[in-house]
Amino acid sequence: KAGVTQTPRYLIKTRGQQVTLSCSPISGHRSVSWYQQTPGQGLQFLFEYFSETQRNKGNFPGRFSGRQFSNSRSEMNVSTLELGDSALYLCASKLTPGQGRTEAFFGQGTRLTVV
Amino acid sequence: AQSVTQPDIHITVSEGASLELRCNYSYGATPYLFWYVQSPGQGLQLLLKYFSGDTLVQGIKGFEAEFKRSQSSFNLRKPSVHWSDAAEYFCAVVMTTDSWGKFQFGAGTQVVVTP
Repeated sequence: KAGVTQTPRYLIKTRGQQVTLSCSPISGHRSVSWYQQTPGQGLQFLFEYFSETQRNKGNFPGRFSGRQFSNSRSEMNVSTLELGDSALYLCASKLTPGQGRTEAFFGQGTRLTVV
Repeated sequence: AQSVTQPDIHITVSEGASLELRCNYSYGATPYLFWYVQSPGQGLQLLLKYFSGDTLVQGIKGFEAEFKRSQSSFNLRKPSVHWSDAAEYFCAVVMTTDSWGKFQFGAGTQVVVTP
């Protein structure tokens, strides 16, 4: 079956702009999490969605937001981009949130560069 | 403070030699433990996981990990490294009390394989 699909793979934006990233989970998976990966901060949790509701949120400013649709696809949005938002954004798909015992499958990520 | 530590940022190993990557965690209770691998330009792939039971866990690609409660460690090993094992390796934990299974990742260990 198809894996987790993230689009686009690469993106270049200018400071102050906004950006929307998309994640299509594995068919049948209902939980989608987002992580930011940077050389300085490593992998950091952004938020998790299940059944179209944000269930958990990391320590990021309000410029970072997301949503999940009825087909479980998720989008994340970053407004008023800053240079420090340059990162690889990874999406993880799980069947259910499941207290850590449910395996998470990661997409290839979207590489965002802010100039 | 809760943390996941990978003491080695970078390891160079010869092809055919053994490999051991260290991971230590600092939590009130034993969390769920994972090792992921990331090849250049790719997302994260799960190598193995530990929830409970047998402390020696077998994973994919010939990797194994040993959980040692007394040392709060979950070290990853491979007896004979192949050139294709060159990648970045991440140790991750999920608190057993976390209903939503949020990962906390270590900083990663970059593995270089020489001929």
